[in-house]
Amino acid sequence: DAGVIQSPRHEVTEMGQEVTLRCKPISGHDYLFWYRQTMMRGLELLIYFNNNVPIDDSGMPEDRFSAKMPNASFSTLKIQPSEPRDSAVYFCASSPSGTMIQTQYFGPGTRLLVL
Amino acid sequence: GENVEQHPSTLSVQEGDSAVIKCTYSDSASNYFPWYKQELGKRPQLIIDIRSNVGEKKDQRIAVTLNKTAKHFSLHITETQPEDSAVYFCAAILLTGGGNKLTFGTGTQLKVEL
Repeated sequence: DAGVIQSPRHEVTEMGQEVTLRCKPISGHDYLFWYRQTMMRGLELLIYFNNNVPIDDSGMPEDRFSAKMPNASFSTLKIQPSEPRDSAVYFCASSPSGTMIQTQYFGPGTRLLVL
Repeated sequence: GENVEQHPSTLSVQEGDSAVIKCTYSDSASNYFPWYKQELGKRPQLIIDIRSNVGEKKDQRIAVTLNKTAKHFSLHITETQPEDSAVYFCAAILLTGGGNKLTFGTGTQLKVEL
């Protein structure tokens, strides 16, 4: 298995532009998580899904952020409009259900820079 | 909700020495405590974990201890090597049938000096 796949790996955009981050979880994993990592705030959980359904989006900073999971193998995190303070590394992670439910596997991350 | 505090934020040790990182959690119901290692520019990776029904767990040079009464848990790395240099995150969670939300500590930057 290729692990969690994220694209793009790097994104540079200008303030006000729409940004879409993509994630493909590990096949068979029922949970998908979106995290944001910055020096100031560390690793923050933004939202997570179980069986494609959003379970907890309390970490989504504001209405500019939205996430979808149209099927078991794909999720997007969208920022519209983007702002410089959104610059961070965004990680997607997935985990299985059952006895290994607690083990989260992280993707390589997307480094976002908003100018 | 859960709150996890982690100390120290930075730790520098000489190669071969031991390193200890400590975390406290607030929700006494939390029952699973993983540790993740993140090398520079890379993704966090699980290195060891412990459940609340166990007081200590070892894996080669790495061990984790848990004190449920005091609500703290620690990561111990013995015989440190340069490749141990990374940021280490602790986390806590109450594993339930319907939720899987990890709360992470703020991270410890470990530097192993030659």
